[in-house]
Amino acid sequence: DIQMTQSPSTLSASVGDRVTITCRASQSISTWLAWYQQKPRKAPKLLIYKASSLESGVPSRFSGSGSGTEFTLTISSLQPDDFATYYCQHYNTFSITFGQGTRLEIK
Amino acid sequence: EVQLVESGGVVVQPGGSLRLSCAASGFTFNDYTMHWVRQAPGKGLEWVSLISWDGDTTYYADSVKGRFTISRDNSKNSLYLQMNSLRTEDTALYYCAKGGITMLVALDSWGQGTLVTVSS
Repeated sequence: DIQMTQSPSTLSASVGDRVTITCRASQSISTWLAWYQQKPRKAPKLLIYKASSLESGVPSRFSGSGSGTEFTLTISSLQPDDFATYYCQHYNTFSITFGQGTRLEIK
Repeated sequence: EVQLVESGGVVVQPGGSLRLSCAASGFTFNDYTMHWVRQAPGKGLEWVSLISWDGDTTYYADSVKGRFTISRDNSKNSLYLQMNSLRTEDTALYYCAKGGITMLVALDSWGQGTLVTVSS
């Protein structure tokens, strides 16, 4: 089974900062990777799919990159609404695997 | 607008059974793969199961294989999860989520979840 490992687990940052979250796959997954944002007591929201494609309606300050085993989610200039937990997710035709999550908190 | 509304979550004893439902609207339900994803209290997301648009293909996480059954009724725009032999570790908020027309697609819409508590 493919394992997805995110780092860091917790990230403290300030409004206006540029932040990067990393997700590593235990074996190559091409670009079959998505990123989600989840706020407390809310359902996850899709941000990025196929590693770097921005979901419709998601602000352009969010971007994704990577292929193979290493991926990143970058927020170019943090806004107050961005403090949340972020999950990477590998998807294929027969299963889905999530990373353990990165909690982005206000410094 | 896509809407997914889960129901059926209750408190159930270990070893018991439960059926969750998800009512879908705002899209052509019978075109899309559908998923169940769960989240234990204070924990991360765990994928549970998926079903193809026609119901012919299903997959499960190892943690629920042989105990849970996913199904759908396209005439009712509804998704189901039959949960048997429930364990305390099945306690979680269960989300239904919309996949794509093909199976290689991320989950672009989610319901608000229904809470299942397995406790004696």
